Amino acid sequence: DIQMTQSPSSLSASVGDRVTITCQASQDISNYLNWYQQKPGKAPKLLIYDASNLETGVPSRFSGSGSGTDFTFTISSLHPEDIATYYCQQTTFGPGTKVDIK
Amino acid sequence: EVQLVQSGAEVKKPGESLKISCKGSGYSFTSYWIGWVRQMPGKGLEWMGIIYPGDSDTRYSPSFQGQVTISADKSISTAYLQWSSLKASDTAMYYCARRDTVVKNDAFDIWGQGTMVTVSS
Repeated sequence: DIQMTQSPSSLSASVGDRVTITCQASQDISNYLNWYQQKPGKAPKLLIYDASNLETGVPSRFSGSGSGTDFTFTISSLHPEDIATYYCQQTTFGPGTKVDIK
Repeated sequence: EVQLVQSGAEVKKPGESLKISCKGSGYSFTSYWIGWVRQMPGKGLEWMGIIYPGDSDTRYSPSFQGQVTISADKSISTAYLQWSSLKASDTAMYYCARRDTVVKNDAFDIWGQGTMVTVSS
């Protein structure tokens, strides 16, 4: 099985800050990498698919990049409503990164 | 509107059986895989398995193979997740999700609202 790791496991940032999360796969997965947002008490929501494609309706402050084994997810300017846990996924999900406001 | 609607919360005793459901609407149910994802209390997401309702082709994560059964009834656009003998460790939120294999390279693009399963004596 392909294993996914994420870092950091949690972070605190100020409104307006640029936030970056990394995800690493245990083997080459090309661009088969998705990113999800999960707010407390809610179902996950797809944000990015194919490593860098923004899902319809998702704000453009969210972006993704990478290929092979190393991937990055970025929020260009943190909004209060972005407080959530973010997961990368190939088939297996990464362990998640909890983002909150400093 | 494309949506998946899951059955309601369940409270069961260890050793009991259970079948929860996920009904799709607003799209061709037989043309997309449906996956099941477990989230134990305070923990992350775990990929359990997927089913293609068109022909009932089913794949399981090794961690869940033999522990649960995934099935579907395409005549009523519904997928199922079932247990024959529940354990306390099955206590979790269970999500179903539609898997887009055509445009979004296997991403789960539509999610159900989740079904909370509590197993306690």
